[in-house]
Amino acid sequence: QQPVQSPQAVILREGEDAVINCSSSKALYSVHWYRQKHGEAPVFLMILLKGGEQKGHEKISASFNEKKQQSSLYLTASQLSYSGTYFCGTDSQGGSEKLVFGKGTKLTVNP
Amino acid sequence: DTEVTQTPKHLVMGMTNKKSLKCEQHMGHRAMYWYKQKAKKPPELMFVYSYEKLSINESVPSRFSPECPNSSLLNLHLHALQPEDSALYLCASSHPQAGQVYGYTFGSGTRLTVV
Repeated sequence: QQPVQSPQAVILREGEDAVINCSSSKALYSVHWYRQKHGEAPVFLMILLKGGEQKGHEKISASFNEKKQQSSLYLTASQLSYSGTYFCGTDSQGGSEKLVFGKGTKLTVNP
Repeated sequence: DTEVTQTPKHLVMGMTNKKSLKCEQHMGHRAMYWYKQKAKKPPELMFVYSYEKLSINESVPSRFSPECPNSSLLNLHLHALQPEDSALYLCASSHPQAGQVYGYTFGSGTRLTVV
Protein backbone atom coordinates (compact mmCIF):
# COMPACT_ATOMS: atom_id res chain seq x y z
CA GLN A 1 0.00 0.00 0.00
CA GLN A 2 1.40 3.35 -1.07
CA PRO A 3 2.53 5.68 1.76
CA VAL A 4 1.08 9.17 1.87
CA GLN A 5 3.46 12.09 1.63
CA SER A 6 2.76 15.69 2.58
CA PRO A 7 2.99 18.37 1.48
CA GLN A 8 2.86 17.71 -2.27
CA ALA A 9 5.04 20.74 -2.94
CA VAL A 10 6.89 23.39 -0.97
CA ILE A 11 8.73 26.54 -2.01
CA LEU A 12 11.45 27.95 0.20
CA ARG A 13 13.98 30.71 0.19
CA GLU A 14 17.59 29.75 0.82
CA GLY A 15 18.22 29.31 4.52
CA GLU A 16 14.63 28.39 5.42
CA ASP A 17 13.61 25.07 6.95
CA ALA A 18 11.16 22.43 5.71
CA VAL A 19 9.58 19.24 7.00
CA ILE A 20 8.32 16.48 4.73
CA ASN A 21 6.04 13.81 6.16
CA CYS A 22 5.39 10.22 5.18
CA SER A 23 2.73 7.99 6.70
CA SER A 24 1.67 4.41 6.16
CA SER A 25 -1.37 2.38 7.12
CA LYS A 26 0.84 -0.71 7.48
CA ALA A 27 3.34 -1.61 10.19
CA LEU A 28 6.77 -0.77 8.87
CA TYR A 29 10.22 -2.29 9.22
CA SER A 30 11.98 0.67 7.69
CA VAL A 31 11.49 3.94 5.87
CA HIS A 32 13.86 5.13 3.15
CA TRP A 33 14.21 8.70 1.89
CA TYR A 34 15.46 9.60 -1.61
CA ARG A 35 15.86 12.83 -3.54
CA GLN A 36 15.46 12.98 -7.31
CA LYS A 37 16.47 15.98 -9.37
CA HIS A 38 14.84 16.55 -12.74
CA GLY A 39 16.20 14.15 -15.34
CA GLU A 40 18.39 12.33 -12.82
CA ALA A 41 18.29 9.13 -10.79
CA PRO A 42 16.95 9.06 -7.23
CA VAL A 43 19.72 9.45 -4.67
CA PHE A 44 19.63 7.74 -1.28
CA LEU A 45 19.48 10.08 1.71
CA MET A 46 18.49 8.18 4.83
CA ILE A 47 17.08 4.96 6.26
CA LEU A 48 15.10 4.83 9.47
CA LEU A 49 14.69 1.43 11.04
CA LYS A 50 12.16 -0.05 13.39
CA GLY A 51 13.85 0.26 16.76
CA GLY A 52 15.15 3.74 16.14
CA GLU A 53 18.39 3.21 14.25
CA GLN A 54 19.14 5.70 11.49
CA LYS A 55 21.56 5.40 8.61
CA GLY A 56 22.40 8.19 6.22
CA HIS A 57 25.29 9.93 4.62
CA GLU A 58 24.14 13.51 4.17
CA LYS A 59 23.59 16.44 6.53
CA ILE A 60 19.91 15.82 7.01
CA SER A 61 17.84 14.43 9.84
CA ALA A 62 14.69 12.40 10.10
CA SER A 63 12.46 10.71 12.60
CA PHE A 64 10.34 7.57 12.65
CA ASN A 65 7.34 7.22 14.92
CA GLU A 66 6.71 3.46 15.04
CA LYS A 67 3.43 3.78 16.88
CA LYS A 68 1.97 6.02 14.20
CA GLN A 69 3.94 4.51 11.26
CA GLN A 70 5.02 8.01 10.33
CA SER A 71 8.35 9.43 9.29
CA SER A 72 9.44 13.02 8.88
CA LEU A 73 12.42 14.42 6.98
CA TYR A 74 13.89 17.66 8.31
CA LEU A 75 15.71 19.98 5.95
CA THR A 76 17.30 22.84 7.84
CA ALA A 77 19.02 25.93 6.48
CA SER A 78 18.07 24.87 2.96
CA GLN A 79 20.46 25.36 0.09
CA LEU A 80 19.73 25.71 -3.62
CA SER A 81 21.06 22.19 -4.08
CA TYR A 82 18.23 20.81 -1.92
CA SER A 83 15.76 21.41 -4.75
CA GLY A 84 14.22 18.26 -6.16
CA THR A 85 11.49 15.74 -5.51
CA TYR A 86 11.72 13.82 -2.25
CA PHE A 87 10.31 10.32 -2.09
CA CYS A 88 9.81 8.16 0.94
CA GLY A 89 9.92 4.41 0.39
CA THR A 90 8.36 2.11 2.95
CA ASP A 91 9.14 -1.53 3.71
CA SER A 92 6.39 -3.49 5.41
CA GLN A 93 7.87 -6.95 4.81
CA GLY A 94 11.41 -6.65 6.14
CA GLY A 95 14.66 -6.92 4.22
CA SER A 96 13.97 -3.77 2.19
CA GLU A 97 13.51 -5.79 -0.99
CA LYS A 98 10.06 -4.42 -1.67
CA LEU A 99 9.96 -0.67 -1.23
CA VAL A 100 6.76 1.16 -2.04
CA PHE A 101 7.34 4.81 -2.83
CA GLY A 102 5.08 7.70 -1.95
CA LYS A 103 3.96 10.16 -4.62
CA GLY A 104 6.77 12.56 -3.75
CA THR A 105 7.17 16.08 -2.44
CA LYS A 106 8.55 18.68 -4.84
CA LEU A 107 10.87 21.06 -3.03
CA THR A 108 11.96 24.29 -4.69
CA VAL A 109 14.60 26.45 -3.03
CA ASN A 110 14.91 29.96 -4.42
CA PRO A 111 17.76 32.45 -3.84
CA ASP B 1 33.23 2.00 -8.11
CA THR B 2 30.02 3.26 -6.51
CA GLU B 3 27.84 3.44 -9.57
CA VAL B 4 25.09 1.57 -11.29
CA THR B 5 25.52 1.88 -15.06
CA GLN B 6 22.56 1.57 -17.39
CA THR B 7 22.62 1.33 -21.16
CA PRO B 8 21.32 2.66 -23.41
CA LYS B 9 20.36 6.05 -21.97
CA HIS B 10 17.64 6.53 -24.59
CA LEU B 11 15.76 3.97 -26.69
CA VAL B 12 13.05 4.35 -29.28
CA MET B 13 11.44 1.13 -30.41
CA GLY B 14 8.51 0.02 -32.49
CA MET B 15 5.79 -2.19 -31.12
CA THR B 16 7.11 -5.22 -33.00
CA ASN B 17 10.75 -4.78 -31.98
CA LYS B 18 12.80 -6.78 -29.51
CA LYS B 19 15.32 -4.85 -27.44
CA SER B 20 17.20 -5.21 -24.16
CA LEU B 21 18.09 -2.84 -21.37
CA LYS B 22 21.31 -3.47 -19.49
CA CYS B 23 22.40 -2.68 -15.96
CA GLU B 24 25.78 -3.26 -14.34
CA GLN B 25 27.23 -2.69 -10.87
CA HIS B 26 30.56 -3.59 -9.32
CA MET B 27 29.84 -2.75 -5.70
CA GLY B 28 29.31 -6.35 -4.68
CA HIS B 29 25.61 -5.72 -4.13
CA ARG B 30 23.60 -8.92 -4.18
CA ALA B 31 20.13 -7.48 -4.77
CA MET B 32 19.20 -5.79 -8.03
CA TYR B 33 15.94 -4.15 -9.03
CA TRP B 34 14.02 -2.90 -12.04
CA TYR B 35 11.71 0.06 -11.52
CA LYS B 36 9.45 1.85 -14.00
CA GLN B 37 8.87 5.58 -13.58
CA LYS B 38 6.37 7.67 -15.48
CA ALA B 39 6.71 11.44 -15.61
CA LYS B 40 5.97 13.16 -12.28
CA LYS B 41 5.22 9.79 -10.65
CA PRO B 42 7.17 7.70 -8.14
CA PRO B 43 9.21 4.68 -9.20
CA GLU B 44 7.13 1.48 -9.39
CA LEU B 45 8.77 -1.83 -8.60
CA MET B 46 8.82 -4.39 -11.41
CA PHE B 47 11.32 -7.12 -10.48
CA VAL B 48 13.78 -7.98 -7.73
CA TYR B 49 16.72 -10.35 -8.00
CA SER B 50 18.32 -11.45 -4.77
CA TYR B 51 21.54 -13.48 -5.00
CA GLU B 52 20.84 -13.92 -8.74
CA LYS B 53 17.42 -15.47 -8.15
CA LEU B 54 14.17 -13.75 -9.07
CA SER B 55 12.57 -13.06 -5.72
CA ILE B 56 9.82 -10.58 -6.61
CA ASN B 57 7.77 -10.18 -9.78
CA GLU B 58 5.15 -7.50 -9.38
CA SER B 59 2.71 -9.03 -11.86
CA VAL B 60 4.51 -7.41 -14.74
CA PRO B 61 3.23 -8.30 -18.26
CA SER B 62 5.20 -11.04 -20.00
CA ARG B 63 6.37 -8.62 -22.67
CA PHE B 64 8.95 -7.63 -20.03
CA SER B 65 11.42 -10.42 -19.26
CA PRO B 66 14.20 -9.96 -16.70
CA GLU B 67 17.47 -11.83 -16.64
CA CYS B 68 20.34 -11.86 -14.17
CA PRO B 69 23.36 -13.53 -15.84
CA ASN B 70 25.61 -12.96 -12.82
CA SER B 71 25.82 -10.94 -9.64
CA SER B 72 26.96 -7.79 -11.47
CA LEU B 73 24.57 -7.75 -14.42
CA LEU B 74 20.85 -7.33 -14.85
CA ASN B 75 19.01 -7.25 -18.14
CA LEU B 76 15.45 -6.41 -19.08
CA HIS B 77 14.31 -7.91 -22.37
CA LEU B 78 11.52 -6.09 -24.16
CA HIS B 79 9.20 -7.53 -26.80
CA ALA B 80 5.98 -6.33 -28.38
CA LEU B 81 5.67 -3.32 -26.11
CA GLN B 82 2.78 -0.88 -26.14
CA PRO B 83 2.98 2.93 -26.29
CA GLU B 84 1.88 3.09 -22.64
CA ASP B 85 5.10 1.28 -21.72
CA SER B 86 7.01 4.44 -22.58
CA ALA B 87 8.73 5.52 -19.36
CA LEU B 88 12.04 5.87 -17.55
CA TYR B 89 13.32 2.44 -16.54
CA LEU B 90 15.53 2.53 -13.50
CA CYS B 91 17.87 -0.15 -12.26
CA ALA B 92 18.98 -0.18 -8.63
CA SER B 93 21.13 -2.32 -6.38
CA SER B 94 21.53 -2.83 -2.66
CA HIS B 95 23.37 -5.07 -0.28
CA PRO B 96 20.92 -7.22 1.64
CA GLN B 97 22.22 -8.94 4.73
CA ALA B 98 20.35 -10.66 7.50
CA GLY B 99 19.53 -8.10 10.13
CA GLN B 100 20.95 -5.24 8.08
CA VAL B 101 19.24 -2.74 5.83
CA TYR B 102 20.93 -0.67 3.17
CA GLY B 103 19.86 2.09 0.84
CA TYR B 104 19.52 1.61 -2.87
CA THR B 105 21.94 2.91 -5.48
CA PHE B 106 20.03 3.83 -8.63
CA GLY B 107 21.32 4.02 -12.16
CA SER B 108 20.52 7.08 -14.27
CA GLY B 109 17.90 5.13 -16.19
CA THR B 110 16.92 4.32 -19.74
CA ARG B 111 14.30 6.59 -21.23
CA LEU B 112 12.17 4.34 -23.42
CA THR B 113 9.78 5.54 -26.09
CA VAL B 114 7.53 3.02 -27.82
CA VAL B 115 6.17 4.18 -31.17
